[in-house]
Amino acid sequence: GAVVSQHPSWVICKSGTSVKIECRSLDFQATTMFWYRQFPKQSLMLMATSNEGSKATYEQGVEKDKFLINHASLTLSTLTVTSAHPEDSSFYICSAPGTGNTGELFFGEGSRLTVL
Amino acid sequence: DAKTTQPPSMDCAEGRAANLPCNHSTISGNEYVYWYRQIHSQGPQYIIHGLKNNETNEMASLIITEDRKSSTLILPHATLRDTAVYYCIVTAAGTGRRALTFGSGTRLQVQP
Repeated sequence: GAVVSQHPSWVICKSGTSVKIECRSLDFQATTMFWYRQFPKQSLMLMATSNEGSKATYEQGVEKDKFLINHASLTLSTLTVTSAHPEDSSFYICSAPGTGNTGELFFGEGSRLTVL
Repeated sequence: DAKTTQPPSMDCAEGRAANLPCNHSTISGNEYVYWYRQIHSQGPQYIIHGLKNNETNEMASLIITEDRKSSTLILPHATLRDTAVYYCIVTAAGTGRRALTFGSGTRLQVQP
């Protein structure tokens, strides 16, 4: 099946710094990727939809200037958490639709961000 | 997408079948039932999906009632590695570019 890979799998940073998370589709092209966020003991919440060659679309309540998304190629989307604060500490997960038309999504391994 | 209702948690003995129910009484005719699971600190993993017929693959079986208002995911011989949160999601067909909406899921604990 299709493989989606994220990097880094975990990162610790100081408050006020920026962190970039990469999401790659390894054996297929993904014109669309989705970014989710998951706080402890909660479910996944969709943050934004990343579109290759165009601007990302953000869910209500997600600050687009804080969570910068770039989808510059058909296999790579990046999420940059700018000026990170402790409340941004979370598990960030990306996903991409498969090449079929049945709605299946392939998920990355997730990236755990801890902001000190 | 139709709303789904799942029990918050279930236990299952290792080696026994795990039957996870899902209610989706407002499902539309063109909506599929998907099951994903999330093992702790990992991304969700696709398990199985179906429209109206029962489905089986190497991981599980999906039983959908005739009126499609509910379904059951069956793990035939649960192992400790099946301990995870299981999500039942209903989404329209032909929407390969849509994000999935995750509910609270069922936390399955497989006991030795």
